[in-house]
Amino acid sequence: DVKVTQSSRYLVKRTGEKVFLECVQDMDHENMFWYRQDPGLGLRLIYFSYDVKMKEKGDIPEGYSVSREKKERFSLILESASTNQTSMYLCASSFRKDIFTRNEKLFFGSGTQLSVL
Amino acid sequence: AQSVTQLDSHVSVSEGTPVLLRCNYSSSYSPSLFWYVQHPNKGLQLLLKYTSAATLVKGINGFEAEFKKSETSFHLTKPSAHMSDAAEYFCVVSDQSGGGADGLTFGKGTHLIIQP
Repeated sequence: DVKVTQSSRYLVKRTGEKVFLECVQDMDHENMFWYRQDPGLGLRLIYFSYDVKMKEKGDIPEGYSVSREKKERFSLILESASTNQTSMYLCASSFRKDIFTRNEKLFFGSGTQLSVL
Repeated sequence: AQSVTQLDSHVSVSEGTPVLLRCNYSSSYSPSLFWYVQHPNKGLQLLLKYTSAATLVKGINGFEAEFKKSETSFHLTKPSAHMSDAAEYFCVVSDQSGGGADGLTFGKGTHLIIQP
């Protein structure tokens, strides 16, 4: 089975801190995604990547950046954490069948609950 | 443009009774539709997927969903609820024409409560 591992289950940070959320997948998937999940809002896409060193903005990229130096690892960076970034962060990965098909089955990590005080 | 509406934020049923979680979508193209489940403190897991084959789709754990184009619906059902079904359920639509930047649009979720 595919395993998507997020490095921390819970994180507490101070306003203004730089925060790194790490995600690793073990199935050689091309696609990786970062979502945030907030009650009543569902999942919203922050950033995604279709290949190493490639990144694209999602629907809510402001205040975030990402890094994909290796195929298996996709990092989410909060440059200067703010209280409105308190949320559950979910990483996902998927196999890309071809360049025309982007939405194969997603495999999710267990999430990182980030609290910014 | 595409959108998805989960008609109930919370659904409560008794153990052993049927489950119905409602989802309506809009899409300019032939969509792919998914249901994901999220158990407490876990990531999302795919329950089932519709991609223009059979309109009745069977998933894991006894769940199934029927694609009804005329009603633009993709409701999730299970004949008999089990306590382990208590979770958050997300309906997702994809037509690769819009929605989220990755082509996926997530519903806001339905919290399923199972009463003993």
